[in-house]
Amino acid sequence: SAVISQKPSRDICQRGTSLTIQCQVDSQVTMMFWYRQQPGQSLTLIATANQGSEATYESGFVIDKFPISRPNLTFSTLTVSNMSPEDSSIYLCSVGGGGIYEQYFGPGTRLTVT
Amino acid sequence: KQEVTQIPAALSVPEGENLVLNCSFTDSAIYNLQWFRQDPGKGLTSLLLIQSSQREQTSGRLNASLDKSSGRSTLYIAASQPGDSATYLCAVDQTGANNLFFGTGTRLTVIP
Repeated sequence: SAVISQKPSRDICQRGTSLTIQCQVDSQVTMMFWYRQQPGQSLTLIATANQGSEATYESGFVIDKFPISRPNLTFSTLTVSNMSPEDSSIYLCSVGGGGIYEQYFGPGTRLTVT
Repeated sequence: KQEVTQIPAALSVPEGENLVLNCSFTDSAIYNLQWFRQDPGKGLTSLLLIQSSQREQTSGRLNASLDKSSGRSTLYIAASQPGDSATYLCAVDQTGANNLFFGTGTRLTVIP
């Protein structure tokens, strides 16, 4: 299993600003994932972050809007840029998964954009 | 694109009752299926993972089944308790590459 922490746990931000969310894992992992959960919706994968390479973004998500860093095997950041109220969501990072392995999630960051 | 549906969206049961949560998916070519519970402010907790070659998995009072050919999974909770109150999500990994497709969840309330 993996223990994942995220900072901040929640934030209220103004339109047009940016917020960087941090994700820390208690063990070294190859891949980290960032998900978004909009109000009343299910989770959607934003991107996969591998250490030492550019993040891979899913359809509908672009690097300019959601830049991701992965400086080492235990840490990643997701920035939500030029925010609008539509970006109000819970953002979660996760690790693991694939085949027989379970995927583990952080507690999430609840973002409200006013 | 894989679509995952969960029925019902919400369920309220008295304590002690057995219950079944349903999950269906449109593309049966999956790698595995995972059930999670989501508690407010606590992220997701993995409950059970079923590989595509398996029919069911059990953990304590929980039993998850998988019928890949029909695109269905069920989560059976025996002798429900108030602590089981949470939102239950199923998620499908289609390729083994960890891109999970999530359902919208079933919000369960167990009444003492």
